[in-house]
Amino acid sequence: DIVMTQSPDSLAVSLGERATINCKSSQSVLHRFNNQNYLAWYQHKVGQSPKLLIYWASTRESGVPDRFSGIGSGTDFSLTISSLQAEDVAVYYCQQYFSIPWTFGQGTKVEIK
Amino acid sequence: EVQLVQSGAEVKKPGESLKISCEASGYGFTNYWIGWVRQMPGKGLEWMGMIFPDDSETKYNPSFQGRVTISVDKSISTAFLQWSSLQASDTAMYYCARHQPFDYWGQGTLVTVSS
Repeated sequence: DIVMTQSPDSLAVSLGERATINCKSSQSVLHRFNNQNYLAWYQHKVGQSPKLLIYWASTRESGVPDRFSGIGSGTDFSLTISSLQAEDVAVYYCQQYFSIPWTFGQGTKVEIK
Repeated sequence: EVQLVQSGAEVKKPGESLKISCEASGYGFTNYWIGWVRQMPGKGLEWMGMIFPDDSETKYNPSFQGRVTISVDKSISTAFLQWSSLQASDTAMYYCARHQPFDYWGQGTLVTVSS
């Protein structure tokens, strides 16, 4: 199984400041035939279902604010919230869909400082 | 509008069986894999398995293989997750989600197993 490890486990950021979450996979999730990274990011707010933010490591899902961005390739990825808003308080997960079983990181809790 | 609507919360005793559902609408149900994700209390997300409604091909996470069964009834655009004998450790929120990646999610079904 591909193990996904996120850092940090939790993060407190002031409103309007930048938040960055890292995600490392135990093996590359870059597929050579299409040069795509099979890596997604989700936002999970309390009492709601998870929401897809980013796929192919850097493609923003329709309707996701542009303050959310993803970067990385191979085994190292990050999600950045450029200017944290109150509604961004949530747990964020990375997930690989390169090989079965699909696996998630352990989650990073983002709070307001 | 794509929607996945799951069945309601369940309270069961250990050893009982259970089948929960996920009804899809707003897209070609048979064209997308649909699967299940578990979230145990206070824990993260775990992918359990998925099914392709057109031919019922199924893929499981080995961690869940043999413990649950994923099925589908394409005549009613509904996927199912079932247990033949629940354990207390099955207490969790279960989400269905359209694959891949998981772009649409159901609202979740809370399953509580307690004697």
